[in-house]
This record gives sequence, structure tokens and C-alpha cells, in this order.
Amino acid sequence: EAGVTQFPSHSVIEKGQTVTLRCDPISGHDNLYWYRRVMGKEIKFLLHFVKESKQDESGMPNNRFLAERTGGTYSTLKVQPAELEDSGVYFCASSQARGRVGYTFGSGTRLTVV
Amino acid sequence: GDSVTQMEGPVTLSEEAFLTINCTYTATGYPSLFWYVQYPGEGLQLLLKATKADDKGSNKGFEATYRKETTSFHLEKGSVQVSDSAVYFCALSPTGNQFYFGTGTSLTVIP
Repeated sequence: EAGVTQFPSHSVIEKGQTVTLRCDPISGHDNLYWYRRVMGKEIKFLLHFVKESKQDESGMPNNRFLAERTGGTYSTLKVQPAELEDSGVYFCASSQARGRVGYTFGSGTRLTVV
Repeated sequence: GDSVTQMEGPVTLSEEAFLTINCTYTATGYPSLFWYVQYPGEGLQLLLKATKADDKGSNKGFEATYRKETTSFHLEKGSVQVSDSAVYFCALSPTGNQFYFGTGTSLTVIP
């Protein structure tokens, strides 16, 4: 089966611009998660979708970040306007059911804000 | 709150050397513990996991034992290979909904 797909793989934008990241989960996976790793620090949870609903968005850093998952399939994460501190690697993961078996992660989008 | 502290890198080893990457955690309850690996240009891959105290996770020659008394989950491998060069992340999940990761340890194995 296809894995979790993220694009773009890299994005370089100027401060103040808008960027939209996309994640295509594994088909049939209801749970979709966004994480972020900033500047070599720990990978931090951003939010969790169950189908199209936001189950937990406690990790979203501020209102410049907007995540959507229309139709419960792919998800987008928009940053508007981007700031320098938003630079990092954004990971998406999906799972079929809740549980401790571990997710399937995508390869990430490296975002650089200059 | 829940958190993971792992050994800072980078770590450079010669091929066939012994590897230990330390990981300790803080958590309420009884989380599951994981090691993820990220090879260059790829996503995070589950390397091994343990779901309860004294469980040993193992995969590809790597091992880690869930030690509740020391709140640790150290990663070990007896003989590393060049192909093991990657970034290793220790993680815990209290509920299965959210993971808490460490900062990652970069490993480079030289021939």
C-alpha cells in the first residue's frame, strides 16, 4: 500500500508569505496527525484529526496556523503569515485506529522561512 | 507533564562498535515507549516498541528494555553498520493519540 505522502518536500518562503503543506494519509486511515520539529529540537505534536473532525489541536502554536481535512481524506496545514520561527520539518502521520502500535509517518516537509 | 529526554548527539562510531543511546522519560500512568529512526531523506520509521514494564523491544539487531524503576528505555546495538547512520528518536505515548518525542540523536557510523 502507498505510505503517507507529503508535499512539497521542501519549501522556502519569505517572512510574511503564506505556505500550504499537504498530507495524503494511507487510504482508510481515519486518524491523521501533524507534528513539527523546529531547529533540531524535539518533534512536537500539533494536532489530531479523526476523519474530518479536529480531535485535539492543543499543540497548534498560534492562530497563524490553520489545518483542514475536508472530506476526511487529505489534510492541509496553512501558515499565514509565516514567521522565521516557523522554519522546521513538518511531519504528518496516519493510523487506522487509536492504539499504541505506532503510526505511519510521512517523510516530512522542510519549511524554511527567510 | 509527559516528556522524553534523550542523549544528545551527534554520535560517531566505527563500524562494529557497540551503540548505546540513552533515553529517560517522565510520565503519569503507564505509557508505551518507542524508538523511531529517520534515515537520510526518509520519514520516521518505527524501529521498536515496548508497551509495559520489563518488555524488551527488538528489531534489526537493536534492543531496548522498558525499565520502570529507572524510567528508561535505552537503545542498544552490539555491532553497528554504516547503514545504521540515521537520526534516532525516543518517544512515549500515554494514550496512543499523541506521541512525545525526544530531541533526536544523530548517529554516524564510519567504515
